[in-house]
This record gives sequence, C-alpha cells and structure tokens, in this order.
Amino acid sequence: TQLLEQSPQFLSIQEGENLTVYCNSSSVFSSLQWYRQEPGEGPVLLVTVVTGGEVKKLKRLTFQFGDARKDSSLHITAAQPGDTGLYLCAGPIQGAQKLVFGQGTRLTINP
Amino acid sequence: GAGVSQSPSNKVTEKGKDVELRCDPISGHTALYWYRQSLGQGLEFLIYFQGNSAPDKSGLPSDRFSAERTGGSVSTLTIQRTQQEDSAVYLCASSFWTGGIQAQHFGDGTRLSIL
Repeated sequence: TQLLEQSPQFLSIQEGENLTVYCNSSSVFSSLQWYRQEPGEGPVLLVTVVTGGEVKKLKRLTFQFGDARKDSSLHITAAQPGDTGLYLCAGPIQGAQKLVFGQGTRLTINP
Repeated sequence: GAGVSQSPSNKVTEKGKDVELRCDPISGHTALYWYRQSLGQGLEFLIYFQGNSAPDKSGLPSDRFSAERTGGSVSTLTIQRTQQEDSAVYLCASSFWTGGIQAQHFGDGTRLSIL
C-alpha cells in the first residue's frame, strides 16, 4: 500500500514559470519531508514540516503542510534549469523509526 | 568528506552471481537504511538498522537478500543468485534519530546491472 501519493509524476515546464507539486495521504503524519534527487546522486533533504498549516520558504521554494497533516505541497516560483530533478516527499511511519517515500515527481525545467 | 559513502558506485555482473554492496554511514549516526530505486522511480525500503536492536527486514523482497551491520557502523547488503529484476540503484542512508524527526543522509548509491 502506497501511503504517500505524489502528483504529477512528471512535469516539464519552461524556465521562469511557476509550478506546484503535491504529496497526499489518507493517513495523518507527525511530519513530512521533501527531498530532491539529481541524476547519479542520492536524495538531499530540502525541508521538514511538522505543524499543521505550516509554511516554510527556501528561496524560491515554498512548502506547505496541510492543516490536517495529511498532505503537503511544494511551490516553485520562477523555475530555473537548476531546479530540475526528482522531488520526493517522505513521512515517518507511526510506531516505527523509518520513513515511507512517495514515488516522486520528476521535474524538468527547459531553458 | 564526512558524508555517507557507498561502494562500488557501479557493479555489472552475470545472472546467478552473488554481489556485496557496502555502505559507510556518517560517524555517530545510529540508524542505517537500505533502499532500492528502479529507473525513474521512488525509493523502495529494504532494511533498517537502529543501534543494537534487531533489524527491520520487512522490506527485503526475497530470502536472496540479506544485510549486516558490523560494530554499529559499516553495513553490507548481499544479494545471492542475482536475477535480472535485481537491476536497480541501491541507496544507503544514515540518520540520527532525535525525538521522532530524522533527516536521512544518503550516499550516491550503487548502480547494479545484472546481465
């Protein structure tokens, strides 16, 4: 059972456009994380959100945790080619010290 | 550097051979994870070690897969009698568990190709 569903799975846009990707679940999570993975490398943590309704900004990236703590979104403003990569959301499995990952959104920003 | 180190970075082997993949976690990290990532896909959990506790092996796809963590540090993932469907990138991550929130630090993976 996939506990975290990401959408869209693939997104290709032009440089300068804005975009939003989503991470949804039917389960409540105590926190959610977003990672970015570039080709040939391991994922790198971008942010952790822990409070329902929380919004965190990282330069042009804005992360939001849903009020019910079942979903999260990542919004990128004025996308740049350097934003290209696989974006993964992840959350801790209740009662277990491990994370479950979504299947990822593969983002391509075209110059 | 002081990051997670995995070796080899690439491994090509024939079907039916055994392979060993190595992971050196960040010093002091108590938790170590192995994941499998097929081309363009997300991460599939394989196994997790936490301190001296029994490992969580719930993600291992078959009894051909096993892993060890010696001395609470280095880990090896062994795949016996490899099959073509084992071809994937195998990622290792380590973390320090603090009050329910952890940041997993990943190595760059071992790209395994079974001919």
